[in-house]
Amino acid sequence: AQSVTQLDSHVSVSEGTPVLLRCNYSSSYSPSLFWYVQHPNKGLQLLLKYTSAATLVKGINGFEAEFKKSETSFHLTKPSAHMSDAAEYFCVVSDLISGGYNKLIFGAGTRLAVHP
Amino acid sequence: DAMVIQNPRYQVTQFGKPVTLSCSQTLNHNVMYWYQQKSSQAPKLLFHYYDKDFNNEADTPDNFQSRRPNTSFCFLDIRSPGLGDAAMYLCATSRDSAGRANRRGTDTQYFGPGTRLTVL
Repeated sequence: AQSVTQLDSHVSVSEGTPVLLRCNYSSSYSPSLFWYVQHPNKGLQLLLKYTSAATLVKGINGFEAEFKKSETSFHLTKPSAHMSDAAEYFCVVSDLISGGYNKLIFGAGTRLAVHP
Repeated sequence: DAMVIQNPRYQVTQFGKPVTLSCSQTLNHNVMYWYQQKSSQAPKLLFHYYDKDFNNEADTPDNFQSRRPNTSFCFLDIRSPGLGDAAMYLCATSRDSAGRANRRGTDTQYFGPGTRLTVL
């Protein structure tokens, strides 16, 4: 079965400094991996998606993630944090269920705080 | 813009009083999902529709039901809300591009803004 572990429950950075949100996954086959962001009282917005094409995936708002099979990692990075990046971030692996659908397996989430 | 819409955004109900949450989509996706998200937790899948086929998660309480009258709409019915059902309810959609027999689990799910349910 697939699983995903987000290594930090909270990350705090200063505005303008780099962001690193760590994610490790467990998969018995080549997985599909996603990062979603959730602002307070809002739905989930897709940041980026990996599906066995290029290992470096670029997403929206300057975020990117690198798929490293040898390390089973899919860390999310951004060169320079903005105040608007403060939110909850979920690393997600897609689990192919027998008989039909892609069930999303969520990490526990990382809350990103950005300070002036 | 194509999107997933949830109404209402905030819903208050009384303990034991049935409530219905609504989701609609203009993406023409054939799969629709309902998630429950409690405070500071990840979303938890309740059930999904693949076209008209209903798929319930094994641990979803019987108190939760769903209807999908057509491709665009899906409803979540909570028959007798308890205090523990207070949560954010998220609707999501995806398009099965590979066909049921060839699914690879790669379809992106697109989420609505959610409905926050309060139970008094």
